[in-house]
Amino acid sequence: QQQVKQSPQSLIVQKGGIPIINCAYENTAFDYFPWYQQFPGKGPALLIAIRPDVSEKKEGRFTISFNKSAKQFSLHIMDSQPGDSATYFCAARKTSGSRLTFGEGTQLTVNP
Amino acid sequence: GAVVSQHPSRVICKSGTSVKIECRSLDFQATTMFWYRQFPKQSLMLMATSNEGSKATYEQGVEKDKFLINHASLTLSTLTVTSAHPEDSSFYICSAKYGPSTDTQYFGPGTRLTVL
Repeated sequence: QQQVKQSPQSLIVQKGGIPIINCAYENTAFDYFPWYQQFPGKGPALLIAIRPDVSEKKEGRFTISFNKSAKQFSLHIMDSQPGDSATYFCAARKTSGSRLTFGEGTQLTVNP
Repeated sequence: GAVVSQHPSRVICKSGTSVKIECRSLDFQATTMFWYRQFPKQSLMLMATSNEGSKATYEQGVEKDKFLINHASLTLSTLTVTSAHPEDSSFYICSAKYGPSTDTQYFGPGTRLTVL
């Protein structure tokens, strides 16, 4: 059972566009929601993370929007660049645990 | 940020042999380390969680006798794939976190295993 559903599977935008990647979760015990960026052949790198007590968090060009009632959260990349082309994973973690549950991933391509 | 290394980055082995992958936290003490595998164009699948000095906790469906995990120190965990077969070919990634109250997991660069 997929506890964190991510969409879209792939996304193509032009340079300067604002790609939006969405995730939905089912388990209300989740209380920590990170986003990871992964380049081919590399391990994931933490981009930004949020807890459910805030509705938005911004770090540089990356913003997480969080809707607790809808159990959804999304990643926005402002002024996207070709160097942002990568696979992005959302994840969630329960209050009482350490393990992360990952979404299926979104392959982002930013065209020059 | 914290640095996690993996060695080797790539390994090719013959079917039936065993392969050991090392995961090191370079600038912090990792009380908990995680091992994932990732198939092409797929998400990360957690294989096991290991706490320093104790036995690893394996996820359902992961054979603990095939994937041996040792977390002997606060900076080193090893994954040994025993009697490897072609279907074990995958990208293996470790991550580490320090302390039960911290959120962030730091991922290693991954190890590409190819079993011929």
